Amino acid sequence: GAVVSQHPSRVICKSGTSVKIECRSLDFQATTMFWYRQFPKQSLMLMATSNEGSKATYEQGVEKDKFLINHASLTLSTLTVTSAHPEDSSFYICSAKKGLRYEQYFGPGTRLTVT
Amino acid sequence: ELKVEQNPLFLSMQEGKNYTIYCNYSTTSDRLYWYRQDPGKSLESLFVLLSNGAVKQEGRLMASLDTKARLSTLHITAAVHDLSATYFCAVDIPDSNYQLIWGAGTKLIIKP
Repeated sequence: GAVVSQHPSRVICKSGTSVKIECRSLDFQATTMFWYRQFPKQSLMLMATSNEGSKATYEQGVEKDKFLINHASLTLSTLTVTSAHPEDSSFYICSAKKGLRYEQYFGPGTRLTVT
Repeated sequence: ELKVEQNPLFLSMQEGKNYTIYCNYSTTSDRLYWYRQDPGKSLESLFVLLSNGAVKQEGRLMASLDTKARLSTLHITAAVHDLSATYFCAVDIPDSNYQLIWGAGTKLIIKP
């Protein structure tokens, strides 16, 4: 149990377009999902915490109007990168947790390349 | 400031050797996580250490936790090439929905 999927696994988009990344908990209800980005050879950077049914909490320095997060159901959160630019190219990873438990279950990641 | 520091950041070693990766943290969290990441892949959970003195072992990897010293170690015994990966430690913040604070990662290369 505790499987998290992400779609797409890879996406290439043109500069100025928007791209949506989905994060799904397949076999459990995820009250909280976290969105991370990871640059090459670096650690994970938390972008935002998403609680079902409420607005996401963004970390300092993350533009909430650029990285739109929606957690509309207990099994789905989406990250939309709006007006993408090459500097948004990165590996985006989501994780999900159940209720008040501490364990996070990680998705397989989405490689975004903006040309 | 909440910080997690790993060392070394890069480690190249021969198969068959033993080595230890260190993880120091500045918070009062009593939960310490170790993850493995292969190139181009997401994170694989290795261990969650929940209390002072906790020791967990899986194959050639053994993790321990000293909450008084705020130190965790990941020990590799008789390394094999398949253990080549980047290893991250992290601690969580209970009051922030168990948000994780990450170390920088240790890139481990094991040469045949």
